Amino acid sequence: GQQLNQSPQSMFIQEGEDVSMNCTSSSIFNTWLWYKQDPGEGPVLLIALYKAGELTSNGRLTAQFGITRKDSFLNISASIPSDVGIYFCAGQLVAGNNRKLIWGLGTSLAVNP
Amino acid sequence: GAGVSQSPSNKVTEKGKDVELRCDPISGHTALYWYRQSLGQGLEFLIYFQGNSAPDKSGLPSDRFSAERTGGSVSTLTIQRTQQEDSAVYLCASSSIVPGAQHFGDGTRLSIL
Repeated sequence: GQQLNQSPQSMFIQEGEDVSMNCTSSSIFNTWLWYKQDPGEGPVLLIALYKAGELTSNGRLTAQFGITRKDSFLNISASIPSDVGIYFCAGQLVAGNNRKLIWGLGTSLAVNP
Repeated sequence: GAGVSQSPSNKVTEKGKDVELRCDPISGHTALYWYRQSLGQGLEFLIYFQGNSAPDKSGLPSDRFSAERTGGSVSTLTIQRTQQEDSAVYLCASSSIVPGAQHFGDGTRLSIL
């Protein structure tokens, strides 16, 4: 099925460093979402983007909806140990009743204290 | 409750048995989604409900999988004649009429012996 290209696949960084990850698609979307998943739990929504070019922050997290509507990035500033987890991007093109999300394969983040 | 509730949280069964997984969405959310996640993998879309109808069943892997939703609320995912490759975490999410923003339960971890 349709899939987003999410990179990097994994990252191992030192506490305090900034992190950047991104997703690209061959299709355009009108919604981009970023989720974080901790072990044994479901994904939790971090940031939702609804307009091309939109730049949105949530604490130390910043995400942007690419102007072409085919990409998005997520930045985490000054990483801390609790940032560890798997980050997923998801894109949605709402057409009629179809609200299916297309998901990236995730970026696994490890933070060395 | 305030969030999406799934039951059971863990299920171990023998190959060939039928299983039923339950999802109780956030009150008032009209859309409900089922996903499957294998260990270390991304989310695989199974089926989407809008109200009680399923506009998109494209992700169901075989005719052994079925799902229903009654009263626009609780949904049940049924897997008949389970196989070992069905072992995974089954996640449910719900969303309001606003596009995007799916809220997830913590999943049912299904193990087929």
